[in-house]
Amino acid sequence: EAGVAQSPRYKIIEKRQSVAFWCNPISGHATLYWYQQILGQGPKLLIQFQNNGVVDDSQLPKDRFSAERLKGVDSTLKIQPAKLEDSAVYLCASSLQIGAEKLFFGSGTQLSVL
Amino acid sequence: KNEVEQSPQNLTAQEGEFITINCSYSVGISALHWLQQHPGGGIVSLFMLSSGKKKHGRLIATINIQEKHSSLHITASHPRDSAVYICAVFRNSGNTPLVFGKGTRLSVIA
Repeated sequence: EAGVAQSPRYKIIEKRQSVAFWCNPISGHATLYWYQQILGQGPKLLIQFQNNGVVDDSQLPKDRFSAERLKGVDSTLKIQPAKLEDSAVYLCASSLQIGAEKLFFGSGTQLSVL
Repeated sequence: KNEVEQSPQNLTAQEGEFITINCSYSVGISALHWLQQHPGGGIVSLFMLSSGKKKHGRLIATINIQEKHSSLHITASHPRDSAVYICAVFRNSGNTPLVFGKGTRLSVIA
């Protein structure tokens, strides 16, 4: 079974630039999550989708972050403009449904903002 | 204060030792996850618990809902168990997100 695919694996940008991350969840998984993990901390939820609808985006800094999952399958997360404190690993995860037994994580995108 | 606290933060063990990692939480939950994160970022879901105990191979997870506490045990630890172990809880109200602990960094030395 193919896992959660994320790209790029690494990204280095300068502050005030824009960046986009892509996630393709496991086929058939209705729920998709984007997490931000700063070094030394646990992941923090940025946004949760159920199919193509947003379930929770209360912790998404909406002045600079945006995410979409237009067809209810793959998703993109964008930062525009980036700040130094956005340096983190961005993890995508999916599950069959909300509250499902298993969460499946991608390998993440490591972002460095210089 | 974090809603999910893990202890210890760092743990070094000799191969073969029995390991316990603890997780305490302060909110009402519907379920608790134990996750394993290897260097490089990949995360694997180990268990989801809402009561009692689960076992998979050398890993055992327990939860005490009344005491708001869960433990992850590793028997006969091995260097390949070296990873960060993260506790995460689903809050009670259904659709709300997982809240993560900061993780416990385990190093098992041969």
